[in-house]
Amino acid sequence: GQSLEQPSEVTAVEGAIVQINCTYQTSGFYGLSWYQQHDGGAPTFLSYNGLDGLEETGRFSSFLSRSDSYGYLLLQELQMKDSASYFCAVRISSNTGKLIFGQGTTLQVKP
Amino acid sequence: NAGVTQTPKFRVLKTGQSMTLLCAQDMNHEYMYWYRQDPGMGLRLIHYSVGEGTTAKGEVPDGYNVSRLKKQNFLLGLESAAPSQTSVYFCASRFVVGYEQYFGPGTRLTVT
Repeated sequence: GQSLEQPSEVTAVEGAIVQINCTYQTSGFYGLSWYQQHDGGAPTFLSYNGLDGLEETGRFSSFLSRSDSYGYLLLQELQMKDSASYFCAVRISSNTGKLIFGQGTTLQVKP
Repeated sequence: NAGVTQTPKFRVLKTGQSMTLLCAQDMNHEYMYWYRQDPGMGLRLIHYSVGEGTTAKGEVPDGYNVSRLKKQNFLLGLESAAPSQTSVYFCASRFVVGYEQYFGPGTRLTVT
């Protein structure tokens, strides 16, 4: 089967740094993506890692270790607007772009 | 650009009724996807399309049918709705090149 594991909830304070981990077991692997979703709205793309290492986009960074089947999303300088659900997703097909999503991590940022 | 739009935004059906959800994108994307999201869960792929006139099954295709007669539109049909199909349905689209999927705002469907 296919499975992605991520924590269900994380709480942090404004200005802090938080890391959301994702481990995966899938039949194919062509990359790991992260999506953000506010209050059940449209998910929005945050980052993609196709190769091992760190990708940085502003306050957000994402890391991948293919040998460990592990990745994480790092959010720095947390703001109240970062309160949302975060989903990791494995690309299981190179040509169709099919994604398998984790169950999501709800991040609550407190003042 | 409107991006990805979905119609309707909300719908209540009785068991056994049928309906069609419409997804439209104006970004000239080749690939389109239908997902469902249940409370506390991630998105699960129902069906997808890699181009006009093509469709394929995803993780949870049973009870749904799709059609992609025009490149910009992807329709999801429920022939005989069941309470288990109560969910939020998201459509997404993507360029051939690249990794980002662009999502619509969702359709909240309740089957009683």
